[in-house]
Amino acid sequence: EVQLVESGGGLVKPGGSLRLSCAASGFTFSTYNMNWVRQAPGKGLECVSFISTSSASIYYADSVKGRFTISRDNAKNLLYLQMNGLRAEDTAIYYCARDCMTTVTPFDYWGQGTLVTVSS
Amino acid sequence: DIQMTQSPSAMSASVGDRVTITCRASQGINNYLVWFQQKPGKGPKRLIYASSSLQSGVPSRFSGSGSGTEFTLTISSLQPEDFATYYCLQHKSYPWTFGQGTKVEIK
Repeated sequence: EVQLVESGGGLVKPGGSLRLSCAASGFTFSTYNMNWVRQAPGKGLECVSFISTSSASIYYADSVKGRFTISRDNAKNLLYLQMNGLRAEDTAIYYCARDCMTTVTPFDYWGQGTLVTVSS
Repeated sequence: DIQMTQSPSAMSASVGDRVTITCRASQGINNYLVWFQQKPGKGPKRLIYASSSLQSGVPSRFSGSGSGTEFTLTISSLQPEDFATYYCLQHKSYPWTFGQGTKVEIK
């Protein structure tokens, strides 16, 4: 069974840092592109970042470019999101999501999310 | 960035109703369109990919259509478990972008 479990969320002050993790199981992690997607409280969904299987291709939303860094450890089946310079508008539930490689389409599996709150 | 305009933003419907949700893209996206369902407190669940392909395990009352700039998600006979928020997503070019969502509520 495919499982994605996010962790690392919490309360942080503006300007602070946080590192999110996503533990993957039930599939060969190293062969799947991965993503972070966020949802502000009561709002819609926003793609935050994408990373390809070997980390050769990485994309960011303009809203986080230069502040967030996506990475992965294929040996440990872990996806990361390092978040620096956090702002109030980064407050959201952060989901990791897997791409479907057979159909080359996004987000066939999602985690349950981890809440990040940026407040003084 | 490609903008996705979803309509309606909310609707009330009864069990057994046929429901149609529309997404329009600001430029052509071929069939790079995915539909999701989200229930309160849960992560999204993929329903349709490639505009019209049904995700494995999703009931056949869900269907998708469209290509280019206009897309629809149809629920042929609404069931109690279908009351949720629905989102479209384009993945023609990054940043992939979602529609603003359609909340389907009980009439």
